[in-house]
Amino acid sequence: KNQVEQSPQSLIILEGKNCTLQCNYTVSPFSNLRWYKQDTGRGPVSLTIMTFSENTKSNGRYTATLDADTKQSSLHITASQLSDSASYICVPYFGNEKLTFGTGTRLTIIP
Amino acid sequence: GAVVSQHPSWVICKSGTSVKIECRSLDFQATTMFWYRQFPKQSLMLMATSNEGSKATYEQGVEKDKFLINHASLTLSTLTVTSAHPEDSSFYICSASPDRGRRSYTFGSGTRLTVV
Repeated sequence: KNQVEQSPQSLIILEGKNCTLQCNYTVSPFSNLRWYKQDTGRGPVSLTIMTFSENTKSNGRYTATLDADTKQSSLHITASQLSDSASYICVPYFGNEKLTFGTGTRLTIIP
Repeated sequence: GAVVSQHPSWVICKSGTSVKIECRSLDFQATTMFWYRQFPKQSLMLMATSNEGSKATYEQGVEKDKFLINHASLTLSTLTVTSAHPEDSSFYICSASPDRGRRSYTFGSGTRLTVV
């Protein structure tokens, strides 16, 4: 079973609206957790990185939160734009160990 | 910094031929490079890890004779898909790290391989 489950699998929202993507993980402990954006046909690009002790981290319109007690992370996107259409992947990262990729959420922004 | 470039971005080849994909670290020396494969709507799956100057370490289920990896320099690794078949059609992504054996945050732009 994948140790990193994301929800929803896919999401369609109107341009300008906000949305929140969820990540539940069992991988523990980890040194940091990253959210990646992967455009279709492209490699993943890091959006945010949080250490185990951080609760929130922002990068422009992207805000990630982390609750180590419940082993949940979320990515909130504010004022969505058409260019936000992509897959978003949650990745807990622990040094030299194998990266465990989340199942991903496919986000589609419609005008 | 930490830019990883892949080439080509897409390739179409005939069944039975071989295809070479390049992965370059542009602004750092990549002691370790990682090769991933991603099928549609699925997560990235690690295929192999290569340390510069050493033989690659392949994940379980990945045929080392089919997916040849060369990492002869600190800025270049190549993945050669030999005798490609349609089931090898996939998205191949590399990742590079300046630290030996340490997982990397930085991914290449990917290569879409279609075998016809």
